[in-house]
Amino acid sequence: AQRVTQPEKLLSVFKGAPVELKCNYSYSGSPELFWYVQYSRQRLQLLLRHISRESIKGFTADLNKGETSFHLKKPFAQEEDSAMYYCALRSLNYGQNFVFGPGTRLSVLP
Amino acid sequence: KAGVTQTPRYLIKTRGQQVTLSCSPISGHRSVSWYQQTPGQGLQFLFEYFSETQRNKGNFPGRFSGRQFSNSRSEMNVSTLELGDSALYLCASSSGQGITEAFFGQGTRLTVV
Repeated sequence: AQRVTQPEKLLSVFKGAPVELKCNYSYSGSPELFWYVQYSRQRLQLLLRHISRESIKGFTADLNKGETSFHLKKPFAQEEDSAMYYCALRSLNYGQNFVFGPGTRLSVLP
Repeated sequence: KAGVTQTPRYLIKTRGQQVTLSCSPISGHRSVSWYQQTPGQGLQFLFEYFSETQRNKGNFPGRFSGRQFSNSRSEMNVSTLELGDSALYLCASSSGQGITEAFFGQGTRLTVV
């Protein structure tokens, strides 16, 4: 069965500190991994997808198939990064639906 | 390009009633998926429609149903509402072919009293 876990419900860091949001998944095939972000009172929006290998707003994420992880990292957190972050996977074998993790609320303190 | 539009934004219904939510996807997108978001269960997949056909379904009771029209607009219906159906219902649109980005609407907040 497909499953996504995010062990931290809440992560608080100070501005300028590095941040890492953890994501692990279980899936027997080759899924595509995503990070979605939801800022306060805004809609869920795509932050990163692993196949694009882009850096968005200073965030990067590397897919580690051996550890089945897709951790999100940023070297220097900003206050505007405070938001809810969801890791998600999707596979063509299961149509267009995402399996989302429970989410991690990131709070960047001044 | 207009984003995904969901109507209404807020709804209050009584137990036992039924409700219909609407989603207009991004122009040209043929896939519409629905999700339920609650504090306890997080984001859970309800179903996906592509070219007017249900292509995939999550693990929800038959009280939850949906449909898609020829213009790709989608509706979801919940019958015999229960208190536990109170949630934010999100709609996502994508092209529906290959693994592509999905764009989410603002959601409809349903409260069952």
